[in-house]
Amino acid sequence: AIQMTQSPSSLSASVGDRVTITCRASQDIRDDLGWYQQKPGKAPRLLIYASSILESGVPSRFSGSGSGTEFTLTISSLQPEDFATYYCLQDYNYPRSFGQGTKLEIK
Amino acid sequence: QVQLVESGGGVVQPGTSLRLSCTGSGFTFRSYAMQWVRQAPGRGLEWVALISYDGSHQFYADSVKGRLTISRDNSKNTLYLQVHNLTLEDTAVYSCARDMGRGSDYWGQGTLVTVSS
Repeated sequence: AIQMTQSPSSLSASVGDRVTITCRASQDIRDDLGWYQQKPGKAPRLLIYASSILESGVPSRFSGSGSGTEFTLTISSLQPEDFATYYCLQDYNYPRSFGQGTKLEIK
Repeated sequence: QVQLVESGGGVVQPGTSLRLSCTGSGFTFRSYAMQWVRQAPGRGLEWVALISYDGSHQFYADSVKGRLTISRDNSKNTLYLQVHNLTLEDTAVYSCARDMGRGSDYWGQGTLVTVSS
């Protein structure tokens, strides 16, 4: 099974900051990776799919990049509503696998 | 609008079985693969299982293979997850999600399963 290693596990940042979260796959997964945002008590929200395609309705400050084994999610200018936990998910093969999550907190 | 509503959770004893349901509306249910994801209290998301649009293919996480069965009834727009021989480690919120092949765009709010003696 493919292992997804996400870093950092937590991150403190301020409104307006640029932040980057990384996900590494244990093998080549092409660009078959999505990024999800989850707020406490809420369902996950798809932000990015196919590594870099922005889901409809997601603000353009979110962007994704990468292919193969290394991927990044970047938030260009943090807004108050962006403080949440972020997960990557590989959908290259089965079983699918999530990263461990990155909790983004207000500094 | 697209909606996914899970049901069937509750407090159950170890060793018992449980069937969870997820009913979809607002879209052509039979056209989409569907999956289950769970989240133990205070933990991250764990992918559990996926079933193809017509039910002909099922895929499972290694950690649950053999104890969980995913199925669907497209005539009822309903997805199921049968969990056998429940253990304390199965305590989690179980959520269903519509799969687009590349990303899951709609999720339910989840149903809580608590395994406790």
